[in-house]
Amino acid sequence: DAKTTQPPSMDCAEGRAANLPCNHSTISGNEYVYWYRQIHSQGPQYIIHGLKNNETNEMASLIITEDRKSSTLILPHATLRDTAVYYCIVSLGGGADGLTFGKGTHLIIQP
Amino acid sequence: DTEVTQTPKHLVMGMTNKKSLKCEQHMGHRAMYWYKQKAKKPPELMFVYSYEKLSINESVPSRFSPECPNSSLLNLHLHALQPEDSALYLCASSQAGWTGGPEAFFGQGTRLTVV
Repeated sequence: DAKTTQPPSMDCAEGRAANLPCNHSTISGNEYVYWYRQIHSQGPQYIIHGLKNNETNEMASLIITEDRKSSTLILPHATLRDTAVYYCIVSLGGGADGLTFGKGTHLIIQP
Repeated sequence: DTEVTQTPKHLVMGMTNKKSLKCEQHMGHRAMYWYKQKAKKPPELMFVYSYEKLSINESVPSRFSPECPNSSLLNLHLHALQPEDSALYLCASSQAGWTGGPEAFFGQGTRLTVV
């Protein structure tokens, strides 16, 4: 079973920051938080991952709370092409166990 | 090259047919995966191969038979499928052998329809 809880859907205006929350209260000390997204009819796409510290890359920022029980994915300037289902996944990473996807958040960017 | 290539993109097969899905990557990844995704549902893990050996089978029915002939290729052999097996089948690959971070790369999937 998925170890994360996300809102089923969110709207965001184009050009604004999209903040997607995720709860993972049972995360263990060696598990990472991963974010993937899936644009309609395509394969999932990796966005970012982190363990304890906040992370930023060219796509997004990941903010992890100090107790690691929740996190927020931030898309700083959302565009229409960011409309997708966003999955927050807790995993050891590597090739050990695959990914267990939860239901995700359907983010809709409004023009 | 950061692509995972799946063929065919679409497949329609009868319940008595035998068909195969193919997946290829040239990123040097030693872990490869099959996922199944039904409409409006998240992907579900089916199989994991690590260093060309089957390491995880998520209680998948035997009518699905995976094969990893070498480190770049992953096949999924299909036989005697049911209409409820119609779904998007996704292949993915990642580095293997250590924890803590390597992301998985997914193919675009094969959309399978069983008639």
